[in-house]
Amino acid sequence: AQSVTQPDIHITVSEGASLELRCNYSYGATPYLFWYVQSPGQGLQLLLKYFSGDTLVQGIKGFEAEFKRSQSSFNLRKPSVHWSDAAEYFCAVPTSGTYKYIFGTGTRLKVLA
Amino acid sequence: DTGVSQDPRHKITKRGQNVTFRCDPISEHNRLYWYRQTLGQGPEFLTYFQNEAQLEKSRLLSDRFSAERPKGSFSTLEIQRTEQGDSAMYLCASSRRTGDTYGYTFGSGTRLTVV
Repeated sequence: AQSVTQPDIHITVSEGASLELRCNYSYGATPYLFWYVQSPGQGLQLLLKYFSGDTLVQGIKGFEAEFKRSQSSFNLRKPSVHWSDAAEYFCAVPTSGTYKYIFGTGTRLKVLA
Repeated sequence: DTGVSQDPRHKITKRGQNVTFRCDPISEHNRLYWYRQTLGQGPEFLTYFQNEAQLEKSRLLSDRFSAERPKGSFSTLEIQRTEQGDSAMYLCASSRRTGDTYGYTFGSGTRLTVV
């Protein structure tokens, strides 16, 4: 069965520092992979998605993610974090051949001024 | 494109009361999804509509829950005889084609508190 693991529940970085949020998945074939961001009290916004091809995917707000099949990972990165990036980040994978997503438990990002 | 709208944003209800939430998807999206998110967790799938047809319901959706999407436009999610365990954020999302290709567009959610 498909699954998504986000090992880090909380991450704190200083503004201007680089960021990497981890996501590991379990999937029988090459998956579609997504990263969403959720600000407090809000719904989820799509940051980026991977379907196939180039394993480095660019998203909105300066985020990127790299698909590594050998490590079953799809880590989210940003070179320089802004205070407005403080939010919760979710990695997701659709269940095989369906429209349902499985979400990770999320990583809450705190940004220090 | 006005996005996915959900109403109300917040709902506080007493245990045992019925509540109904509404979702208006993006107009050209024919697929609509409901998810539930509890504190500290990622969203969990509840149900899915393609046009007006409800194609799947999660086991999370007990008999007290019912969802409709008349005429394939807006959708409602009703919870009867609410319980404290129903307290959560209820998220609606829509997509134009197969959700796993294009990604969902989520609404801002309805936060339900059962007291």
